[in-house]
Amino acid sequence: EVQLVESGGGLVQPGGSLRLSCAASGLIFGTYWMSWVRQAPGRGLEWVANIKQDGSEKYYVDSVKGRFTISRDNVKNSLHLQMNSLRAEDTAVYYCARADYYANSGNFYYHLDVWGKGTTVTVSS
Amino acid sequence: DIQMTQSPSSLSASVGDRVTITCRASHSIGSYLNWYQQKPGKAPKLLIYAASSLQSGVPSRFSGSGSGTDFTLTISSLQPEDSATYYCQQSYSILWTFGQGTKVEIK
Repeated sequence: EVQLVESGGGLVQPGGSLRLSCAASGLIFGTYWMSWVRQAPGRGLEWVANIKQDGSEKYYVDSVKGRFTISRDNVKNSLHLQMNSLRAEDTAVYYCARADYYANSGNFYYHLDVWGKGTTVTVSS
Repeated sequence: DIQMTQSPSSLSASVGDRVTITCRASHSIGSYLNWYQQKPGKAPKLLIYAASSLQSGVPSRFSGSGSGTDFTLTISSLQPEDSATYYCQQSYSILWTFGQGTKVEIK
């Protein structure tokens, strides 16, 4: 069974840092793009970041660029999100998700097919 | 960035009703459109990918259609367990975006 388990959430003061981790099992981790998605309390889903299989490409939502860094360890089957200069608006449940694709006529249709249960980050003084 | 706009924001329907949720993209995204279902306190679940492909294990009452800028998620016969919030998401751009969500309630 494919499983993603997030950890590292908690309470942090504004301006502080936190490192989230996601442990993957039941899949060949190094063959998938991986993503972080967050959800602020009572709000919708927001895509945060993507990382390519070998870590050579990384993409971020504008609101976290320069503050968050996505990384991965394909030997330890783990995904990470280093969050610096945290703000109150970063308060959310953070989900780790696998990005699989459907190939058709040379096009690759990516989608998030496996999700962790999430870890909660609260930024407050 | 590509903006995704869902309508309605919420709806209430009876068991057995046909329910339609619309998602509109600010730019043409071909068929790079996915639909997710989320129940309170739970992680999202993939329902539809590539606009119209049903994810394995998802009931056949769920279907997706559309291309370009206008997309639809249809529940052919609403069931009590379909009470949830539904999100569309585009993967056309390297910067992905979700719609704001549509909350479906059972009357």
